[in-house]
Amino acid sequence: EVQLVESGGGLIQPGGSLRLSCAASGFTFSKYNMNWVRQAPGKGLEWVSYIDVRSITTYYAESVKGRFTISRDNAKSSLWLQMDSLRDEDTAVYYCARDDYGAMDVWGQGTTVSV
Amino acid sequence: YELTQPPSVSVSPGHTARITCSGDALPTRFSYWYQQKSGQAPVLVIYEDSKRPSRIPERFSASRSGTMATLTISGAQMEDEADYYCYLTDSSGNVFGTGTKVTVL
Repeated sequence: EVQLVESGGGLIQPGGSLRLSCAASGFTFSKYNMNWVRQAPGKGLEWVSYIDVRSITTYYAESVKGRFTISRDNAKSSLWLQMDSLRDEDTAVYYCARDDYGAMDVWGQGTTVSV
Repeated sequence: YELTQPPSVSVSPGHTARITCSGDALPTRFSYWYQQKSGQAPVLVIYEDSKRPSRIPERFSASRSGTMATLTISGAQMEDEADYYCYLTDSSGNVFGTGTKVTVL
């Protein structure tokens, strides 16, 4: 079964750091670009970050640029989001999503971050 | 850049719902559509403007013309009640639309 499972969310004080993880299974992780997407309580979806298959290209939303870092380990089929200098407005459910030529076709169940 | 959607659309069961997405970047980028039911992760329903993943019912279709993309639900069902988001990818940053709540009643 193709699956993404996020973990690492929790309650953190403003200014603190948190590292989210996303474990992939059921597909060849190294062949897919990946994204992080978040959703604040009662709000819409917000794209956060993107990483290509070889970790050469990364993109970030302006709202997190300079504070968040996306990374991956293909050997471990894992994706991470290092979040530093957290703000109240970073409170959200964070999803990892597989990117198939621009289409995010597989999503995890999300992990909740409360700042 | 921004993608603007109507906040809400209402449709009677069996009727057609149309959800629009407008944005200046649409003429040069593929559009995607996601469905999100309450408390669940989003699901891809349309990719590359008008292609439908195999598991998505045929009643979902979409098109793009100029600065507007449109998602159409033909013969809406109660289970189609959800939030719908358009989405674009770009090297300067990807973006979701503002979202549309579809109510089937």
